[in-house]
Amino acid sequence: QSVLTQPPSVSGAPGQRIIISCTGSSSNIGAGYDVHWYQQLPGTAPKLLIYANSHRPSGVPDRFSGSKSGTSASLAISGLRAEDESDYYCQSYDTGLSVWVFGGGTKLTV
Amino acid sequence: EVQLVQSGAEVKKPGESLKISCKTSGYSFNTNWIGWVRQVPGKGLEWMGVIYPSDSDVRYSPSFQGQVTISADKSITTAYLQWSSLEASDTAIYYCAKPTNGAPDYWGQGTLITVSS
Repeated sequence: QSVLTQPPSVSGAPGQRIIISCTGSSSNIGAGYDVHWYQQLPGTAPKLLIYANSHRPSGVPDRFSGSKSGTSASLAISGLRAEDESDYYCQSYDTGLSVWVFGGGTKLTV
Repeated sequence: EVQLVQSGAEVKKPGESLKISCKTSGYSFNTNWIGWVRQVPGKGLEWMGVIYPSDSDVRYSPSFQGQVTISADKSITTAYLQWSSLEASDTAIYYCAKPTNGAPDYWGQGTLITVSS
């Protein structure tokens, strides 16, 4: 049972927009800690996609965007492409556990 | 260029000990946290713990406290993850990762550990 809750799977057609949610609590996201998002393609290490809730590292397309509100955060992907098919994880800090925590991951099917 | 290069895959028997490494370069090793993440095949990512090499301050996730040891050698800018007695449930891919403001922006390539009798 992950501290941060994500839907196990989402799907969308090419060109569509999808949103992946990440629900936490008052000891992590709700406590004001930043949320970060990662993309993990099969057989590869995770790649940082969004940091500090809504910022994109250099090289990440602006089709990817993040937001945070209250005890939840969201990753939006617009203009879906076949190569976006991947696993996506949210991550934050939990003050109760005193450690960084990941969501359970969401498999995106395009 | 920041690089994290991990040691190779291992096949071990239950009860054996193991120490895997993560050789870093391209940034100030001493003054940046570095941590380890576990991924059981087909499952999600789990933070195991992090270390601040400058003073060897280690923070373990409660799930891994007492199960593994995280260490670092400043002289060779290398982080380590070790087990004293492996179990079959330790079979997984282990990644080292360097967080910046809490977000791992650089990752090692992963080390597959297989524990089987």
